[in-house]
Order: sequence, then C-alpha cells, then structure tokens
Amino acid sequence: IAGITQAPTSQILAAGRRMTLRCTQDMRHNAMYWYRQDLGLGLRLIHYSNTAGTTGKGEVPDGYSVSRANTDDFPLTLASAVPSQTSVYFCASSDGTSGNNEQFFGPGTRLTVL
Amino acid sequence: GQNIDQPTEMTATEGAIVQINCTYQTSGFNGLFWYQQHAGEAPTFLSYNVLDGLEEKGRFSSFLSRSKGYSYLLLKELQMKDSASYLCAVRSGGYNKLIFGAGTRLAVHP
Repeated sequence: IAGITQAPTSQILAAGRRMTLRCTQDMRHNAMYWYRQDLGLGLRLIHYSNTAGTTGKGEVPDGYSVSRANTDDFPLTLASAVPSQTSVYFCASSDGTSGNNEQFFGPGTRLTVL
Repeated sequence: GQNIDQPTEMTATEGAIVQINCTYQTSGFNGLFWYQQHAGEAPTFLSYNVLDGLEEKGRFSSFLSRSKGYSYLLLKELQMKDSASYLCAVRSGGYNKLIFGAGTRLAVHP
C-alpha cells in the first residue's frame, strides 16, 4: 500500500451500535488526525495524535475516542453511534507538526447512522 | 473565536483567471494552507503561506496578508478539471491543528 488507507469505504449503522473506523498509513508520519466533513461546515478536527502513544482532542471530540498504539494505525471509535454522527470521515497524516508539513488525506469513510 | 470565511460558490470560464478569497480571524496564526477537493474525493494540498506575499506554483498562486487576515488563491488558464472545492485552512497554535473554512465550490464551464 502507498499513502493512507481507510476502512470501510462506507457503512450504514444502527443508532446505539459501536463502530471503529480504521486508518493506516505507510509513510512513517509522526502525526495523524481524524476529521469529519459535513455539508456547509467544512472539515472539523475530531482527535489528533502527534506521535505514537499520544492523543489529543480536536474541535468536536465528544462521542469519539482514538488510540495510537503504533506509528501506522490510528483507529477512531464511536462507542454508541447517534444520527448526528452521520458524516464523511477523513483520516490524515503529516510528517511533522510545524513548517510546511502538509497533511495527506485518506479516501474517506461515509458513515450513515439511522 | 475562530472564523474562516470564503465564498460558497463561484463560476468561471475555461481559459480564464479566477481568484478565491479567504478571510480569517483566529486566536493565533502559524501558516495558511489551500487544498483542492474534487467531489467524492479526499482533499489534496495546493499551497502554503506563512509570510506575507505571493507564492507561485505553476498555474496556481496563493497570497497572504497577515495584518489583514486575508489570503487568496489565484487559478490561471482554467481547465475543466479545475472544477472542485477549494478549502482554506489556518494553522492556529501548535501541533499542526488546522481550522478549515467551509470551502468554495468552483464550476468551470466551456
């Protein structure tokens, strides 16, 4: 694989169910991020990780949790999904945390919570 | 508060020039990014500005005025494939946390 992969591509989920969105990168980037994208609101940061073993809260963290056990993987978990979590979720990574360290985005996961 | 404004939609003609504006009010500033996003796809990096002035990269240029909280993306010699959303994002504070505007949807027509 090259770059960032996300799984699943799309998912329909019943409210109250637990769901984990997977994200894997093979660029050995230190930093990783989870965003949600909603029409008219743009991308909003959910959680981030500057390096393996550390995580932090973004703009809209409620209802989501993350872990960063190693450099490559950064799963996002919805413990008990609600309809307002219907969105497109993008994972991203960057080589560093300053300067011109562009973020590379995965292809996204389209999640529908009914 | 944190606020980034850009026009919702723009249209332009193939071969023409278009300027997409972005104004921001953030609690800190550590760089401004422009991303391109085609419908149903992931955002891809276009440009980065941290100092005032113009950065040119092929058909695309980006300008920044930190004192005015203002940036623009200039697209020259428009092509049909430039039809996409253009996202302005500000890095405010540390840890590369980006604040994104809602995006400008550009439609290029023949």
